[in-house]
Amino acid sequence: NAGVMQNPRHLVRRRGQEARLRCSPMKGHSHVYWYRQLPEEGLKFMVYLQKENIIDESGMPKERFSAEFPKEGPSILRIQQVVRGDSAAYFCASSQGGIPPQHFGDGTRLSIL
Amino acid sequence: QQQVKQSPQSLIVQKGGISIINCAYENTAFDYFPWYQQFPGKGPALLIAIRPDVSEKKEGRFTISFNKSAKQFSLHIMDSQPGDSATYFCAASSAGQAGTALIFGKGTTLSVSS
Repeated sequence: NAGVMQNPRHLVRRRGQEARLRCSPMKGHSHVYWYRQLPEEGLKFMVYLQKENIIDESGMPKERFSAEFPKEGPSILRIQQVVRGDSAAYFCASSQGGIPPQHFGDGTRLSIL
Repeated sequence: QQQVKQSPQSLIVQKGGISIINCAYENTAFDYFPWYQQFPGKGPALLIAIRPDVSEKKEGRFTISFNKSAKQFSLHIMDSQPGDSATYFCAASSAGQAGTALIFGKGTTLSVSS
């Protein structure tokens, strides 16, 4: 499968726990974007990364959220001390050279108990 | 302004009819306008995209019409089929600036009745 791979597809956490979401970009893509989708809403940009660099994190909440894209391995979106409001679908997209189009994975549905 | 406004929120069309979804934007720096189709439980899939140097782009039954002066663009689905029932999102970005994020509309839920 040469598409964007996200795992897990579903993640359940209790309030206060940590959530780690993984994204492997399409083959040949080194630019990754994370978006969040709330029910009945469009996707909202969170962060844009290249390998080993965060390029734009203007959509990321200042606290509890972090992202990385190491030289080896998938991109990780990390949410510490989760709260009910973090419940959403989180989508990763990748592109070649930061130029459109962006191709999306099938997302991680995060539920907070 | 970074908003992209999309309408209608929901749309019901009979099989064989034309589905029309509209979007408007404010930021004149936007120069790339894609439409995405999303089925329940899936990620958005790129359907068709346009840049402002053309007024219309057609791919099969899907057409984007673009009005630069009005800062509006629309998706037309000809001969709509039940399999087209999905949520459609318009988006915009500044493609000339590498790595800029997509700004999405809130989506239109299309139901095509057989």
